[in-house]
Amino acid sequence: GAVVSQHPSWVICKSGTSVKIECRSLDFQATTMFWYRQFPKQSLMLMATSNEGSKATYEQGVEKDKFLINHASLTLSTLTVTSAHPEDSSFYICSAQRTGSYEQYFGPGTRLTVT
Amino acid sequence: GENVEQHPSTLSVQEGDSAVIKCTYSDSASNYFPWYKQELGKRPQLIIDIRSNVGEKKDQRIAVTLNKTAKHFSLHITETQPEDSAVYFCAAIYFGNEKLTFGTGTRLTIIP
Repeated sequence: GAVVSQHPSWVICKSGTSVKIECRSLDFQATTMFWYRQFPKQSLMLMATSNEGSKATYEQGVEKDKFLINHASLTLSTLTVTSAHPEDSSFYICSAQRTGSYEQYFGPGTRLTVT
Repeated sequence: GENVEQHPSTLSVQEGDSAVIKCTYSDSASNYFPWYKQELGKRPQLIIDIRSNVGEKKDQRIAVTLNKTAKHFSLHITETQPEDSAVYFCAAIYFGNEKLTFGTGTRLTIIP
């Protein structure tokens, strides 16, 4: 159990366009999901915490109008990168926290390349 | 907020030897400490975790120790194998905060 999927696994888009990334917990309910960004050879940087049915909480320095997060159900959260720029190119990883538990389980990540 | 430091940043050990990675945390309220293994281009995988009411936990070749007084915890891998080569991240969290704070990672290389 505790499988998290993420779609797409990779995407290439042009500057100025928007990209939506989906994160799904397949076999458990997740009241809380997290979105991370990871640059090559670096640690995971938390971008925002997504709670089902409420607004996301963004970390300092993360633009909420640029990185739109929606947590519509207990198994789905989406991250939309709006008006993407080359500097947004990165590996985006979501994690889902099983309701009532500490454990977080990670999705496989989405590699975004903005040209 | 919480700050987690991790050492060393890189570690090379001969196959069959043991590897130890150490982390320190700053917030005494932290009470859950997971360790993740991440292979290149893949997701972090939870390999072991420990809660603050336990001093040590073992799962086959992997063990984690926690010293709450000193606010540090360590990952121990015995009888290392080539497939243990990866980047390992420690993390800390306190219940109610929900947010994991990650260490900077250790790149472990097992030399055949």
